[in-house]
Amino acid sequence: GNSVTQMEGPVTLSEEAFLTINCTYTATGYPSLFWYVQYPGEGLQLLLKATKADDKGSNKGFEATYRKETTSFHLEKGSVQVSDSAVYFCALSVGGGSNYKLTFGKGTLLTVNP
Amino acid sequence: KAGVTQTPRYLIKTRGQQVTLSCSPISGHRSVSWYQQTPGQGLQFLFEYFSETQRNKGNFPGRFSGRQFSNSRSEMNVSTLELGDSALYLCASSFGWDRGQLAKNIQYFGAGTRLSVL
Repeated sequence: GNSVTQMEGPVTLSEEAFLTINCTYTATGYPSLFWYVQYPGEGLQLLLKATKADDKGSNKGFEATYRKETTSFHLEKGSVQVSDSAVYFCALSVGGGSNYKLTFGKGTLLTVNP
Repeated sequence: KAGVTQTPRYLIKTRGQQVTLSCSPISGHRSVSWYQQTPGQGLQFLFEYFSETQRNKGNFPGRFSGRQFSNSRSEMNVSTLELGDSALYLCASSFGWDRGQLAKNIQYFGAGTRLSVL
């Protein structure tokens, strides 16, 4: 089956520090990959996506590259801000039609201190 | 353009009761998916509806059911509530096109309904 493994949290950083959250996946088929972010008390927001190997998704200073050879989609940001404090979820979807669903990792809580 | 709207935002029920949650998708979206989020199990897929038909179902007992109306709005029902059903229930909508349009099959989430079972 499909599964996503992401690094356990929580992660605590100081403002302007470099962020990496690791994500690896197992999938039957050729998945699309996503990072979603959840701020306290809110639902999930799509942060970025990649649909094929070597694609780089980017948004709000965050980046992730689809690495088929290592089945990875690590999230990075060069300089985090306090406002980036949230839970980050790596996810995948495979196929469409009757197989259309997202499989999520467990989530990584990021806290950024001023 | 309005986002995905879930009502109510909070619910408190007692064991044995039943509950209905509502989800209004983004205009034009025909696919609605439901997810359960708990601290222990994380985010788990419940089911997906497209054009009033359930296309995909996760591994949840039959107490969890749903439906979709002709205007794409969806409801989820949980009967005979158990303490373990306490969770954040998230709804997501998308265009739900088939293969070839996968790049556009992004799911947009609502803020969720927080269900507490006492």
